[in-house]
Amino acid sequence: ETGVTQSPTHLIKTRGQQVTLRCSSQSGHNTVSWYQQALGQGPQFIFQYYREEENGRGNFPPRFSGLQFPNYSSELNVNALELDDSALYLCASSPGGVATNEKLFFGSGTQLSVL
Amino acid sequence: AQTVTQSQPEMSVQEAETVTLSCTYDTSESDYYLFWYKQPPSRQMILVIRQEAYKQQNATENRFSVNFQKAAKSFSLKISDSQLGDAAMYFCAYRNEVNNDMRFGAGTRLTVKP
Repeated sequence: ETGVTQSPTHLIKTRGQQVTLRCSSQSGHNTVSWYQQALGQGPQFIFQYYREEENGRGNFPPRFSGLQFPNYSSELNVNALELDDSALYLCASSPGGVATNEKLFFGSGTQLSVL
Repeated sequence: AQTVTQSQPEMSVQEAETVTLSCTYDTSESDYYLFWYKQPPSRQMILVIRQEAYKQQNATENRFSVNFQKAAKSFSLKISDSQLGDAAMYFCAYRNEVNNDMRFGAGTRLTVKP
């Protein structure tokens, strides 16, 4: 089975620009969640999608938005980039909806630098 | 709000020895789940062990075990017979039935000395 893959691995943007990060879930997984991990900190939950609908959101402004596609791949879009958006963005997939004890399968992340 | 605290930014252990990583959390919920994830330099988070709060028995996975103290809201990870490959960042995490978010601590960097 294939794992969770994220693209690109690294990205450099300037303040005010928009960025799209992509995630391909593990085969058979219909739930994807996104996390922001600033340097030296633990990941922070951005949002979760289950069968193409958002079903949970953390404390992030609306300029952070997402999509999940019928094949369960996913995108994270960030508009009007700010310097503080510089971080590692992690995508995680899981097999089945809202079961809260489920194991999350993580990708290796996209390192975003905003200059 | 639920918070997760890891009070040890760094820990070190001799190969083959035992080390314990600490984690405390704050919640008003009675049903929840706790996890330890490992993040090696590859950056990919890997589940080490998980515990359901309604279970009194501490979870174990081979060399990894937890000491879950629900009343004290404590969830420590014990690594026995430490191996060089155990060197990584370790994150304690919490999740409950109300929200779908996973709350992570700030992490503990574990160094294993040969």
